Amino acid sequence: AQTVTQSQPEMSVQEAETVTLSCTYDTSESDYYLFWYKQPPSRQMILVIRQEAYKQQNATENRFSVNFQKAAKSFSLKISDSQLGDAAMYFCAYSPTGNQFYFGTGTSLTVIP
Amino acid sequence: DTGVSQNPRHKITKRGQNVTFRCDPISEHNRLYWYRQTLGQGPEFLTYFQNEAQLEKSRLLSDRFSAERPKGSFSTLEIQRTEQGDSAMYLCASSFQPGLAASAGELFFGEGSRLTVL
Repeated sequence: AQTVTQSQPEMSVQEAETVTLSCTYDTSESDYYLFWYKQPPSRQMILVIRQEAYKQQNATENRFSVNFQKAAKSFSLKISDSQLGDAAMYFCAYSPTGNQFYFGTGTSLTVIP
Repeated sequence: DTGVSQNPRHKITKRGQNVTFRCDPISEHNRLYWYRQTLGQGPEFLTYFQNEAQLEKSRLLSDRFSAERPKGSFSTLEIQRTEQGDSAMYLCASSFQPGLAASAGELFFGEGSRLTVL
């Protein structure tokens, strides 16, 4: 079975601080894709960052970066200099072939002013 | 706005009635996905289309559910004889998948259609 686990239902961070959201996944594939999506309240889900498993270098998008540990099947998201607009549900997602996408249960991030 | 559009945004129906949701993807996207999301859960895959062909359906998709994408553009998701367990947010997403090589394009989501079955 291919599953994605997000063990932190809720997280909070002070504005301007750094927070790390955890994600682990289960797969027997060697090549696959990993994503973090953000779902603001009552808004559509948007892509935050994406990682191809064959790339050893961790993906970075401005204040967002990942720590991809392939052997451990771990894919955490680090948000630096947190802003109020970062408050949202964050979903980790896995795709083995680019056809199906499997999502975790999400982490609700609160940013404290 | 050229994003993914879903209609209706909210639907309240009585158990046993049929409902239909429509999704208009981003025009140049060849892939279209339907997901279901319940409170406190992540999106669960239902089905996806490559152009007009329905390539995969989840085991979650009972025979009461049917999806179409007749001309490879918009898609409809129909639920027949609705049950209270069908209450959820139904999300549509689209992407562009070039060629046959495996790759995972970014999914662009709509705002969803919320179904409440009384």
